[in-house]
Amino acid sequence: DAGVTQSPTHLIKTRGQQVTLRCSPKSGHDTVSWYQQALGQGPQFIFQYYEEEERQRGNFPDRFSGHQFPNYSSELNVNALLLGDSALYLCASSFAGVRTEAFFGQGTRLTVV
Amino acid sequence: RKEVEQDPGPFNVPEGATVAFNCTYSNSASQSFFWYRQDCRKEPKLLMSVYSSGNEDGRFTAQLNRASQYISLLIRDSKLSDSATYLCVVNPSSGSARQLTFGSGTQLTVLP
Repeated sequence: DAGVTQSPTHLIKTRGQQVTLRCSPKSGHDTVSWYQQALGQGPQFIFQYYEEEERQRGNFPDRFSGHQFPNYSSELNVNALLLGDSALYLCASSFAGVRTEAFFGQGTRLTVV
Repeated sequence: RKEVEQDPGPFNVPEGATVAFNCTYSNSASQSFFWYRQDCRKEPKLLMSVYSSGNEDGRFTAQLNRASQYISLLIRDSKLSDSATYLCVVNPSSGSARQLTFGSGTQLTVLP
């Protein structure tokens, strides 16, 4: 059973560019959440997708957008990249049930230069 | 004030020691609580869930004090493999894992 998979694992982009990160949830999971983890900090919630809609959003600007596909996979898009967007981006999947655990992917390490 | 606060450490302890981590949270409506472990440059992994009065799993014991909005993690008989960052996590909902709020983590190094 494949766990949560993310691609790519590493990415280097130039300030002002746009980036798309991808996530495939664990088998049986229908909910995907995205987190940003800066160096030395805990992960910060970006948003969550369920039934192909954004259900909750953290304190992130509109430059951060996402999508969920019918197969539950998800994309995170970041426009107009800033140096401060450099971080580890984590995808977590879960099942929209009671007391479910969130499983994290290995993350995408984005460096903006 | 941060929603979830932890002592950042680092904690450097010898093998076999007992170490305790503390965490406080600000949202009194929070419903579920977790400790995650994160190895260097890896993803967070669930260590323990903490429900109602707390629970124990082998060498690990987690406690919850709702009145004080305080969570703790106790590790007994520390092993070298316990070296990691321990993240205190709060979920405002008792339902699906939505909008987990993480502390900044406490770094533990177990020394031989």
